[in-house]
Formats: sequence, structure tokens, C-alpha cells
Amino acid sequence: NAGVTQTPKFRVLKTGQSMTLLCAQDMNHEYMYWYRQDPGMGLRLIHYSVGEGTTAKGEVPDGYNVSRLKKQNFLLGLESAAPSQTSVYFCASSLRRGLSGELFFGEGSRLTVL
Amino acid sequence: DQQVKQNSPSLSVQEGRISILNCDYTNSMFDYFLWYKKYPAEGPTFLISISSIKDKNEDGRFTVFLNKSAKHLSLHIVPSQPGDSAVYFCAASAGSGGSNYKLTFGKGTLLTVNP
Repeated sequence: NAGVTQTPKFRVLKTGQSMTLLCAQDMNHEYMYWYRQDPGMGLRLIHYSVGEGTTAKGEVPDGYNVSRLKKQNFLLGLESAAPSQTSVYFCASSLRRGLSGELFFGEGSRLTVL
Repeated sequence: DQQVKQNSPSLSVQEGRISILNCDYTNSMFDYFLWYKKYPAEGPTFLISISSIKDKNEDGRFTVFLNKSAKHLSLHIVPSQPGDSAVYFCAASAGSGGSNYKLTFGKGTLLTVNP
């Protein structure tokens, strides 16, 4: 059981380049999330999805786009990368909302924008 | 405005002693609280949680205490082990009835347990 898988694990971009991070989960979870982790900032929610075909903005959505065309996949896109987007990105999923709230995280994708 | 605060960036304890990690929150709508543990180069993993209808939840060596009037929670690890060395994130959500599914995280506390 792979859980939550993120690809790629590492990427270096030049300013202005675009890229897509892929998140795949095999737990049949409804909800999926993209967080970024920066030193001294904790985990901040970028975008999330409550089901196939839906997306919503989190705390820090600017500069990112997302898509959830299939239930098991959640894509995070950077159309024009900026150095401020250098971060570690974590995808997460959860089975149900509300009382549980437990998220299952991927291993992270380290992105460097030069 | 930071809604979940972990004011201690780091904590160092001796093996076998108690580790106490603290977390404060400002949003009175939060009603479910979780602790996550993160090792380097790995994703966070769920550790323990507590609903606002309780003031204590225990799971083995880990106990979470909630003081709603003070908007404060703490994680106790007894006895601490070197394998507990990690970053611990406090997280909170609002709307346990099903209307909210987003977690707000604190900045984390790096726990180091010395042999």
C-alpha cells in the first residue's frame, strides 16, 4: 500500500519556468491538500480539494494552480516560478472531514527556484 | 495572524524523562486538535488527537491535554526515547460537525532526546 506518493521528489527551476507536481493516493480518500513548509513557518495550506472535479484556495494560493480530474490525483502547477516559491511541498489526503481531521502526508517534494 | 502558536522552536530532554510540548490557539471556533510528528526528509505523520469535548487523551507514552478556557494544549511524552527526536506540529480544525476539513498548523517544535 503506497499511501500518498509525490513526484518528483526534487526539482530545480529557473525563474519563470513552469512545472507540475503530481500527487497520487491509493486510499480512496475524498479530500486532498497541498501544503508548503518553509523554515520557521510551519505548514501552510496552498489549495485543497473536497472531491473529484473540485478545488479551493487555502492560505497561500497565489502563484499556484491545481486540478483534480481524477479522485486519486491532485496536481499542483506553477505557471511562472519565482524564488519565493522555493520550498518543500507536501501533499496530503484524508478519508473524511470533520471530527477526524487526520491527514496522511506524502514524503514531500523539494523545489528550488533560482 | 497566527492562529496556532508553538512558542518554543526547540526542546531538549534526557532519555527517560518527560517531554512537554506546548501549543496555544486564538480561534475559539477550533474544536479538534491534533499532533503530528515529522522526521527529516519525511512527511508528517499523525500522532494523537483530542476533541474539545475532552480535556485529556492518552495513547501509550503520549498524552494530550486540552485547557479550553486558556486556549492551550500540551503533548506529554513519558518516558522520552531517542527515537522521539523529531519536529512536532500542533494542528487545529473548526467545525467537527463536518463543515470544515482544513487543518491550521503551528510552526513546529524540534524535540531532541539525548541518550
